[in-house]
Amino acid sequence: DAEITQSPRHKITETGRQVTLACHQTWNHNNMFWYRQDLGHGLRLIHYSYGVQDTNKGEVSDGYSVSRSNTEDLPLTLESAASSQTSVYFCASSESLASEQYFGPGTRLTVT
Amino acid sequence: ILNVEQSPQSLHVQEGDSTNFTCSFPSSNFYALHWYRWETAKSPEALFVMTLNGDEKKKGRISATLNTKEGYSYLYIKGSQPEDSATYLCAPGGGGGNKLTFGTGTQLKVEL
Repeated sequence: DAEITQSPRHKITETGRQVTLACHQTWNHNNMFWYRQDLGHGLRLIHYSYGVQDTNKGEVSDGYSVSRSNTEDLPLTLESAASSQTSVYFCASSESLASEQYFGPGTRLTVT
Repeated sequence: ILNVEQSPQSLHVQEGDSTNFTCSFPSSNFYALHWYRWETAKSPEALFVMTLNGDEKKKGRISATLNTKEGYSYLYIKGSQPEDSATYLCAPGGGGGNKLTFGTGTQLKVEL
């Protein structure tokens, strides 16, 4: 069965370190998205991609970057982790805007 | 960034009650409206994707309607059950770009 996975599921890191969160989907979807979930804000879009070599900034992209070298993967990098980036991160994929998004299980990141 | 409002923020009902939630969004540049169900400690799961004014969708005891001209959607749950307890998110797509803007959700708790 097709799926979308994230790793690690939990991560604790120190301020200033570079961190990369992995997202892998086997749906063969062109569209992939990274969100963060914070109390009072719901899901906010960090970056998204329409296909290989395509990346776009979302609502809260400062301090984050993504790259899309193949259809299956969209890793999210925190260049220099900050305490404000402590959050739960969800990756999602979809065929199109008119198609449902499939969400990964989430990664809980704590920056100390 | 679209201004998406969901009401109420939270709702407690008794088993067997019927209930409904509202999602309001800007009607200009509308493309699609998604509803997701999000249980605690899990990932959001899609309920409906609607694109046309007047759309009505149904899945079991849950149904949704869409009014794109006035910018709102209703989600209805008939005969609520404890397993319906979750946060219900709406997410309109539009305003440019193949992406969604999530509301902060309506948290439903169904008590025995």
